[in-house]
Amino acid sequence: SQLAEENLWALSVHEGESVTVNCSYKTSITALQWYRQKSGEGPAQLILIRSNEREKRNGRLRATLDTSSQSSSLSITATRCEDTAVYFCASNYGNEKITFGAGTKLTIKP
Amino acid sequence: EAAVTQSPRSKVAVTGGKVTLSCHQTNNHDYMYWYRQDTGHGLRLIHYSYVADSTEKGDIPDGYKASRPSQENFSLILELASLSQTAVYFCASSMTGGARNTLYFGAGTRLSVL
Repeated sequence: SQLAEENLWALSVHEGESVTVNCSYKTSITALQWYRQKSGEGPAQLILIRSNEREKRNGRLRATLDTSSQSSSLSITATRCEDTAVYFCASNYGNEKITFGAGTKLTIKP
Repeated sequence: EAAVTQSPRSKVAVTGGKVTLSCHQTNNHDYMYWYRQDTGHGLRLIHYSYVADSTEKGDIPDGYKASRPSQENFSLILELASLSQTAVYFCASSMTGGARNTLYFGAGTRLSVL
């Protein structure tokens, strides 16, 4: 079973629009990570947000963490075609193993 | 310049044959991981290691063995490959374990078992 899960399998928006990918997790965590995987590549981390942080930014990316609802979101503003990718949330549950969600496939349309 | 290098990048194997996937990292990281990716399942952890000559089971270890002969090298071994092991395999490394550490991934190995 997935310990962290994105809430939608696929999303699409037009270039320049903003988009949000959501993630829910099942128990307490020490941190949550967002990864992006472009076609034919390995995943690459975008943001790491710790359990005592509520928001983290990285350029056009903004991640939030709500420990009360056990959820996180990743927002991308001013989307570009190169943002087309699969986005994963990942975390662990008091051990060394990092568990990934199934991913949300984001398509940016011209 | 890639810090995590996987070989081969793709492989076709026969059912019942032995397959070895290799991973080499130049990050000087203690932790290394093998994940499997299937459509709709995201990445699932097969084996990981935090020190040379020792490996740990991940979430789906059945049918797989792992070997960590040195800090830099981590192999995934399929002794008797099966059709269900057709997938893309990713190796990753991190400085230490846990969610506060970034995983650095290789480009993946696409394995087809026929």
